Amino acid sequence: DIQMTQSPSSLSASVGDRVTITCRATQSISTYLNWYQQKPGKAPKLLVYAASTLQSGVPSRFSGSRSGTDFTLTISSLQPEDSATYYCQQSYGTPYTFGQGTKLEIK
Amino acid sequence: QVQLQESGPGLVKPSQTLSLTCTVSGGSISSGSYYWSWIRQPAGQGLEWIGRIYTSGSTNYNPSLKSRVTISVDTSKNQFSLKLISVSAADTAVYYCAREDDWRSRFEYWGQGTLVTVSS
Repeated sequence: DIQMTQSPSSLSASVGDRVTITCRATQSISTYLNWYQQKPGKAPKLLVYAASTLQSGVPSRFSGSRSGTDFTLTISSLQPEDSATYYCQQSYGTPYTFGQGTKLEIK
Repeated sequence: QVQLQESGPGLVKPSQTLSLTCTVSGGSISSGSYYWSWIRQPAGQGLEWIGRIYTSGSTNYNPSLKSRVTISVDTSKNQFSLKLISVSAADTAVYYCAREDDWRSRFEYWGQGTLVTVSS
């Protein structure tokens, strides 16, 4: 199985901050990497697919990038509604696997 | 707009079978190029992909659960289902159904999730 390692596991930031979450795959997955946002008691919501393509309707402050097997989700200017847990997911091959999640809190 | 809704018992006894159904609305389950997946999340933990079924009926399962899982589809009811046999407390989780497109394998649509507790 392809393992996905996310970092950090949690972070706290202020409104307006630039926030970066990283996900590393144990093997090459090309750009088959998706990012999801999950709020308490809700299903995950797709933010970014194919490593860097913003899902329709997602604010432009979210962006994704890739460098080899390292992937990054960036929030350019943190908003209060961005408080959530974020997951990466590899869609290169089954079994699909997710990162362990990054819990983002607003100071 | 596609919507998915999970249904099934919220409590299952150990060693018995967990059965859930996902009803799809806003589109036909047999049209387009989509996979229909089950994903679960134990309380306070991360997400685990269980398996999927294609519109053709072909299936893929997570090897960690493969011996206990069956996913099937009922196109007449626009539903797909999950059966997990021989459950234990470790199978207690929120179970989600989701639609995956076969172009970029993204989970674009999700059900709201249903909590299944395994307990006697």
